[in-house]
Amino acid sequence: DQQVKQNSPSLSVQEGRISILNCDYTNSMFDYFLWYKKYPAEGPTFLISISSIKDKNEDGRFTVFLNKSAKHLSLHIVPSQPGDSAVYFCAASARKGGSEKLVFGKGTKLTVNP
Amino acid sequence: DTGVSQDPRHKITKRGQNVTFRCDPISEHNRLYWYRQTLGQGPEFLTYFQNEAQLEKSRLLSDRFSAERPKGSFSTLEIQRTEQGDSAMYLCASSLIQEAKETQYFGPGTRLLVL
Repeated sequence: DQQVKQNSPSLSVQEGRISILNCDYTNSMFDYFLWYKKYPAEGPTFLISISSIKDKNEDGRFTVFLNKSAKHLSLHIVPSQPGDSAVYFCAASARKGGSEKLVFGKGTKLTVNP
Repeated sequence: DTGVSQDPRHKITKRGQNVTFRCDPISEHNRLYWYRQTLGQGPEFLTYFQNEAQLEKSRLLSDRFSAERPKGSFSTLEIQRTEQGDSAMYLCASSLIQEAKETQYFGPGTRLLVL
């Protein structure tokens, strides 16, 4: 039973355009959401997070949107750069429920073409 | 480098052997997590410590797995009698609770191959 789903295994965009990565979750106890980027042979690198009390958080080229009623979040990267090419993981935790562990999706491989 | 470090980065072992991995967290972080990642999947939670106390264990953590964090600093993860299904990337992460916010920072991982 996958509680965090990233339904697109891959995404390809042109340099300079917007990249939109999507994530859905099923557990209504999740109250904190994060996005990580992962290059081959490296550990995940934290990008941006959002608490369930917000619906948007922005950090430079990265913006995360949260729609609690739809149990959906998305990561927008604009403008996309070739160095953004990596696997992006969505993760969630149910901190108020007493669990600090992160539950990850399967990832979306982003390719930004020059 | 003040990030999370893991040792070794790669380990090849024969089925039935024991292996031990080490994780050194970011120095001021009081929480330490272990995850496992297999091909095509996201990381899966194994266990976590707050200081030296092990607070949560996944049912993925069979009795062949044991983790310790004896002085609340570095941690070790031991797998006894390894099986081919144990082949995976083992990731360590650390965090510091600040104002109810917590971000887990990951190390580079230890890639285990069981032959």
